[in-house]
Amino acid sequence: EAGVTQFPSHSVIEKGQTVTLRCDPISGHDNLYWYRRVMGKEIKFLLHFVKESKQDESGMPNNRFLAERTGGTYSTLKVQPAELEDSGVYFCASSLRTGLGLGEQYFGPGTRLTVT
Amino acid sequence: RKEVEQDPGPFNVPEGATVAFNCTYSNSASQSFFWYRQDCRKEPKLLMSVYSSGNEDGRFTAQLNRASQYISLLIRDSKLSDSATYLCVVSGDTGFQKLVFGTGTRLLVSP
Repeated sequence: EAGVTQFPSHSVIEKGQTVTLRCDPISGHDNLYWYRRVMGKEIKFLLHFVKESKQDESGMPNNRFLAERTGGTYSTLKVQPAELEDSGVYFCASSLRTGLGLGEQYFGPGTRLTVT
Repeated sequence: RKEVEQDPGPFNVPEGATVAFNCTYSNSASQSFFWYRQDCRKEPKLLMSVYSSGNEDGRFTAQLNRASQYISLLIRDSKLSDSATYLCVVSGDTGFQKLVFGTGTRLLVSP
């Protein structure tokens, strides 16, 4: 079974440009999460989709970030315009279920974003 | 104050040693607790869930103390391959499993 995949693995862009990250969850996983790790800090939650609906977007830093999951399959995370502080590793995770004690989250390899 | 606090280490131990990591969490409503392992420049991978009764998986033992909001991980007979960063993770105050991560504790096992 294929795991969570993310594209691209690395992206280097200039401040002010736009970048779109893509995540393909494990097939059949309705729950999709985005997390981010900036240099020297812990991994932090960004948002959670259940199928195509945003269940929780409390971790989105500001309105320069837009996440979509049309059709409830893959998801994209767009940063527009990118700022220097957006640099970091963006992880996507998926799980089959939620609920207390259920639904292990499987992480993708991450996209390393560098904004110069 | 961070929601999940861990000693960043690194912990340098010889092969065969026993090593213990601890973490504390601030949200008393947290329901689920985990240890994840992360290798350098890789994604986090679930090592084990942590239950109030404690649980063991081979050389790894995890304990949870809800009263003290404290989680521990014990690794016995350390192997070179155990070298990694160990992430203490909590979730579940709403049931939707948003994971809250500690910064991780780095373990280096030497020959």
